[in-house]
Amino acid sequence: EIVLTQSPATLSLSPGERATLSCRASQSVSSYLAWYQQKPGQAPRLLIYDASNRATGIPARFSGSGSGTDFTLAITSLEPEDFAVYYCQQRTSWPLTFGPGTQVDIK
Amino acid sequence: EVQLAESGGGLVQPGRSLRLSCSGSGFSFGDFALSWVRQAPGKGLQWVGSIRSKDFGGSSQYAASVRDRFTISRDDSKRIAYLQMNSLKSEDTAVYYCARARRPQGLGDFDYWGQGTLVTVSS
Repeated sequence: EIVLTQSPATLSLSPGERATLSCRASQSVSSYLAWYQQKPGQAPRLLIYDASNRATGIPARFSGSGSGTDFTLAITSLEPEDFAVYYCQQRTSWPLTFGPGTQVDIK
Repeated sequence: EVQLAESGGGLVQPGRSLRLSCSGSGFSFGDFALSWVRQAPGKGLQWVGSIRSKDFGGSSQYAASVRDRFTISRDDSKRIAYLQMNSLKSEDTAVYYCARARRPQGLGDFDYWGQGTLVTVSS
């Protein structure tokens, strides 16, 4: 099973600041990594797939990078609606696995 | 508009069974793999299982924690996927989401999600 580790667990930032979230895989997932955003009481929303491709309707301030075992989700300038939990997920092999999440909250 | 809607959740005693349904609309239902992902209260996301499209054999994959207890099936004519959960345990308590996989063979990420249905396993 591929284990995904996310850091930091919590990121406290102010609106307008840049957020950088990390996801590390226990073995190479090539570029088959996705990022999701989840707000309280809502279903997750796909932000990025295949490491760097924005999903439909996702603003350009969200970007993904990385390959192999190390990946980054960047949010260039945080908007109030961006404060949420972010998960990474690999689709290289079964079982599909998610990281434990990074909470981005308002400083 | 693509929509997924889960139903069938509720309170169930340990050891009993429950069947969840996922109804899809706004897309060619049979062309996509579908998955179930759950989230225990206050916890992260856990993949439960996936069923491929018929074009890719319609077979299923499961997480180890539910294999032999849970079964995913689909009725494309009704545009519904099912999650049959047997021998339920307290640790199965979670919100269960149905999600559409971006890739028909199932080994994929999820571009559309339902709103979730809560399953509580308790005596």
